[in-house]
Amino acid sequence: KAGVTQTPRYLIKTRGQQVTLSCSPISGHRSVSWYQQTPGQGLQFLFEYFSETQRNKGNFPGRFSGRQFSNSRSEMNVSTLELGDSALYLCASSLEIPGQGAADTQYFGPGTRLTVL
Amino acid sequence: QKEVEQNSGPLSVPEGAIASLNCTYSDRGSQSFFWYRQYSGKSPELIMSIYSNGDKEDGRFTAQLNKASQYVSLLIRDSQPSDSATYLCAVITSYDKVIFGPGTSLSVIP
Repeated sequence: KAGVTQTPRYLIKTRGQQVTLSCSPISGHRSVSWYQQTPGQGLQFLFEYFSETQRNKGNFPGRFSGRQFSNSRSEMNVSTLELGDSALYLCASSLEIPGQGAADTQYFGPGTRLTVL
Repeated sequence: QKEVEQNSGPLSVPEGAIASLNCTYSDRGSQSFFWYRQYSGKSPELIMSIYSNGDKEDGRFTAQLNKASQYVSLLIRDSQPSDSATYLCAVITSYDKVIFGPGTSLSVIP
């Protein structure tokens, strides 16, 4: 079974631009979560989607948004990019939402490395 | 108090030794616990999940959970240089959120 895929793998943008990242979960997985990882802050939760609905959101400004489609694929968007948005953005999928026992195990994609100049 | 804490390391062990990684969590109602390994520049890879008190073994890896002490650990036996990575502890809290610890950097010295 194919793993979680993320596109693009690398992205270079300039301040003020916007960016859209895409995530395709493992087939059959309905929950998708997004994380931002930086050397100083570690892995920080952005948001979680299940059945096209955002269930949880982390402490990020409104410039960060996302959505999930009916096929469980998800996108996240960052508008008005800042230098501090440079990070590895990780998508993780699971069969079910957190709290459902073994079905809530998250599997990560390879990530999108975003560099803001 | 942070919700999930880990020793930041770096933890250095000689090849062949046992590496012991520790994680504590604050939400007593947490039910699901995970250990991920992350190589530099790569994404986290699931090593173990554990849901019940006690030990769970998978090859050279043993996860230990003690809910009363709010403590979960990962033991790596016969450590190899290829085990050198950052190990992330993740907890699903009673309010159904996945919280990751800051990670522990492990270096296995040949």
